[in-house]
Amino acid sequence: DAGVIQSPRHEVTEMGQEVTLRCKPISGHNSLFWYRQTMMRGLELLIYFNNNVPIDDSGMPEDRFSAKMPNASFSTLKIQPSEPRDSAVYFCASRWRAGTDTQYFGPGTRLTVL
Amino acid sequence: AQKITQTQPGMFVQEKEAVTLDCTYDTSDPSYGLFWYKQPSSGEMIFLIYQGSYDQQNATEGRYSLNFQKARKSANLVISASQLGDSAMYFCAMREAMNYGGSQGNLIFGKGTKLSVKP
Repeated sequence: DAGVIQSPRHEVTEMGQEVTLRCKPISGHNSLFWYRQTMMRGLELLIYFNNNVPIDDSGMPEDRFSAKMPNASFSTLKIQPSEPRDSAVYFCASRWRAGTDTQYFGPGTRLTVL
Repeated sequence: AQKITQTQPGMFVQEKEAVTLDCTYDTSDPSYGLFWYKQPSSGEMIFLIYQGSYDQQNATEGRYSLNFQKARKSANLVISASQLGDSAMYFCAMREAMNYGGSQGNLIFGKGTKLSVKP
C-alpha cells in the first residue's frame, strides 16, 4: 500500500518567493496534518483537517502560511512570501480517525529559503 | 507544562544488546494513547508502536516493546537485540481523548532521544 506522498522532497527558494508543498494522504484516511520540524522548536503542528475541513490552524505561524484540502486525496501548504526563518522540514501525516488514531507520516519536504 | 518528557537527549548501546528509552507523560484524561516514532538520519518519521491507556498488556511489535507503567505515567520503549539500523532519533508522543479540550486527538511529541548503536 502506498504511504503518505509528499512533493517536492527538497525545495530551495529565495526569500520572497511563493512556495507550495503538496501532500497525498493514505487512501481511506480522513484526517490530515501538517507539521514543521526544526532543531530549535522540534515538531510543531501547523494545521489539521478532518474530512477535508480545517479544524485547528492555531499552529500556523502567520498569515503568510495557508493550507487547503480540496478533496480527500490532496492537500497543499503554501507560504507566500517565504522568509529564511521558514527553512525547516515540513511533514504531512494522515490517519483514520478511529481505533488507535495512529498518524502515518510522509517523507517530508526539506525547505531552504535563502 | 510539558506533557511528554524524554530525559535522555542521547544514548549509546552495543549492538545486540537491549536498550530502554525513557518517556514520561502528564495528563488528567483517563483515555489516551501513547506512540513511539523512529526518525533515522534520512528524515522520515516511522511509526513503531502504540499503547492505549486501557490496554491491559504492554504492547509489543517485533523487537520493540513498550513498558507501560500507568501509575508512574511512564511509557518506555524497549528495543531488544539492537542493530546498527536502529541508530536514529526516537520520539514519544501522546494523544489525548478525542475532543478533549478541543484537541481532537492531536499528537503531542517529546523532544526525542538520539540512539547510537555501536558495532
